Amino acid sequence: SQKIEQNSEALNIQEGKTATLTCNYTNYSPAYLQWYRQDPGRGPVFLLLIRENEKEKRKERLKVTFDTTLKQSLFHITASQPADSATYLCALHTGGFKTIFGAGTRLFVKA
Amino acid sequence: DTGVSQDPRHKITKRGQNVTFRCDPISEHNRLYWYRQTLGQGPEFLTYFQNEAQLEKSRLLSDRFSAERPKGSFSTLEIQRTEQGDSAMYLCASSPGQGETYSPLHFGNGTRLTVT
Repeated sequence: SQKIEQNSEALNIQEGKTATLTCNYTNYSPAYLQWYRQDPGRGPVFLLLIRENEKEKRKERLKVTFDTTLKQSLFHITASQPADSATYLCALHTGGFKTIFGAGTRLFVKA
Repeated sequence: DTGVSQDPRHKITKRGQNVTFRCDPISEHNRLYWYRQTLGQGPEFLTYFQNEAQLEKSRLLSDRFSAERPKGSFSTLEIQRTEQGDSAMYLCASSPGQGETYSPLHFGNGTRLTVT
């Protein structure tokens, strides 16, 4: 069956450290992989998109890697801040009109 | 860019009642999506419009659910004969694009439905 797996356990890190979140998928061949941020009671906000032929993408303190052989993406936030505390969602687009989301990983950054 | 707007933000209804939600997408976006999200889960795809045409519906969308996008602008999602299992956050998203080009989604802040 098709699955997107993200760590269900929350990630707790100290301010200033690098947060690394994992997204694994099975039985998909995504053309694009994206990461979204979601705060409580709000809709997801798009952060980064990486294409199947790209290995890495960066935006300010954010970095995404995409390994289509391992079927895995890693999402890094460097120099993390308490304001980075949120749920981070991995999403796949495999063609057609649907974007499929993982369940997300909650990140807590302690001051 | 005023963002995607959803109304109402919260709706409490009794089981068996009908409810309707409205979504106003970003004005230049021709694609509109509805998703449903329950606690601890990611958004689940419900349906997609390109302009006024509804091009895909999830199997999650039972015959009690109907969505429209008249004139390719705002959209409504109606749930008839609500059930407690319909309690969730209903999210609307929009994106630009034509044909097979893909653009990330811009979400509204959702309508939280509680069925008692």
